[in-house]
Amino acid sequence: EPEVTQTPSHQVTQMGQEVILRCVPISNHLYFYWYRQILGQKVEFLVSFYNNEISEKSEIFDDQFSVERPDGSNFTLKIRSTKLEDSAMYFCASSGSALDEQYFGPGTRLTVT
Amino acid sequence: RKEVEQDPGPFNVPEGATVAFNCTYSNSASQSFFWYRQDCRKEPKLLMSVYSSGNEDGRFTAQLNRASQYISLLIRDSKLSDSATYLCVVSLNQAGTALIFGKGTTLSVSS
Repeated sequence: EPEVTQTPSHQVTQMGQEVILRCVPISNHLYFYWYRQILGQKVEFLVSFYNNEISEKSEIFDDQFSVERPDGSNFTLKIRSTKLEDSAMYFCASSGSALDEQYFGPGTRLTVT
Repeated sequence: RKEVEQDPGPFNVPEGATVAFNCTYSNSASQSFFWYRQDCRKEPKLLMSVYSSGNEDGRFTAQLNRASQYISLLIRDSKLSDSATYLCVVSLNQAGTALIFGKGTTLSVSS
């Protein structure tokens, strides 16, 4: 069964450093998403991406964040200057259409020290 | 963005029990409704969509009341493998739309 994959599974970085989280969505999907979940809290939407542009973003997704689809398979989330409060599990998701089920990847646990 | 509220839990039940989870959502423009399941430190996985007429999938029954902005999930004959956190999720159902998650209710089924 096709699945969303994410790398790395765990990333440790120092405050102020840039990180790039990588995702490979399901191959024929057209909609891509990033969510995050701070430990013990709810899953929160960050951004959705379609047709090579952001279609929706949340208040969390400020100028420190960016997304890119650099080639036909990868979808990345960049955090330019990490803060302690960016420590969370980051989930990538994809869907075939806007109304289809969103399939989640296993997540990248980001720890900012 | 408005909230999705769920029973705080945790629910601790014996095998074979019937357990019900409730959820309310505040944005009346919400169009799609789901229950997701999340195991500890894992990704959310879709358990079932929720339709206005109510729907059933094996031991799981979901109900939606749009007038009250209320969603429920009933699990019959609980199994040990049902132990997880159950997430109530809504969406505005627009192109590229975000899923809005509740904080979840933890279920622990014991033998």
